[in-house]
Amino acid sequence: AQSVTQLGSHVSVSEGALVLLRCNYSSSVPPYLFWYVQYPNQGLQLLLKYTSAATLVKGINGFEAEFKKSETSFHLTKPSAHMSDAAEYFCAVSDRSSYKLIFGSGTRLLVRP
Amino acid sequence: DAGVIQSPRHEVTEMGQEVTLRCKPISGHDYLFWYRQTMMQGLELLVYFNNKAVMDDSGMPKDRFSAKMPNASFSTLKIQPSEPRDSAVYFCASRSSREQFFGPGTRLTVL
Repeated sequence: AQSVTQLGSHVSVSEGALVLLRCNYSSSVPPYLFWYVQYPNQGLQLLLKYTSAATLVKGINGFEAEFKKSETSFHLTKPSAHMSDAAEYFCAVSDRSSYKLIFGSGTRLLVRP
Repeated sequence: DAGVIQSPRHEVTEMGQEVTLRCKPISGHDYLFWYRQTMMQGLELLVYFNNKAVMDDSGMPKDRFSAKMPNASFSTLKIQPSEPRDSAVYFCASRSSREQFFGPGTRLTVL
């Protein structure tokens, strides 16, 4: 069975500081991995995805994530936080035969002025 | 394209009533998913379709929930009878080349 663990339900950073949101996955098969962002009262928007090409994946809005098989991690980073980055972020995993997404519990990012 | 369209955006009903949520996927997408989001359980997959056929409904309570996709451009999720524990945001998503596109969701409140 696949699962995703997001460490930290809330992360608070100052504007301009590094953003690091943690995600660890469990999968018995090579996974596909995703990060989604959800703004208040909106649906989920894909930030980036890993599908077995480059291990460092670049996404929208300056975000990137690195797939580390040895650590079973897929942490999301952004060098400099903007106020507009305040939202909830979800890590998700799926296997390569099914298209079901298994989501983590989410991390709410707060950006302080 | 208008994206995934869901209706209604908000629904308030009383316990025991029937509720029908609707979804129009992005044209050409052959996979459609229904998710439920709650504070306690987070985002859960209820059911998904491929080419209008149910592929997996293991996450859906069968006694009161039913999902249908009568054609490629329309799906419904029905709850009968509704209960307060069904209060949640229900998302529909459709899929293209490994990416799922989510609708804005329907916020359901069962009193």
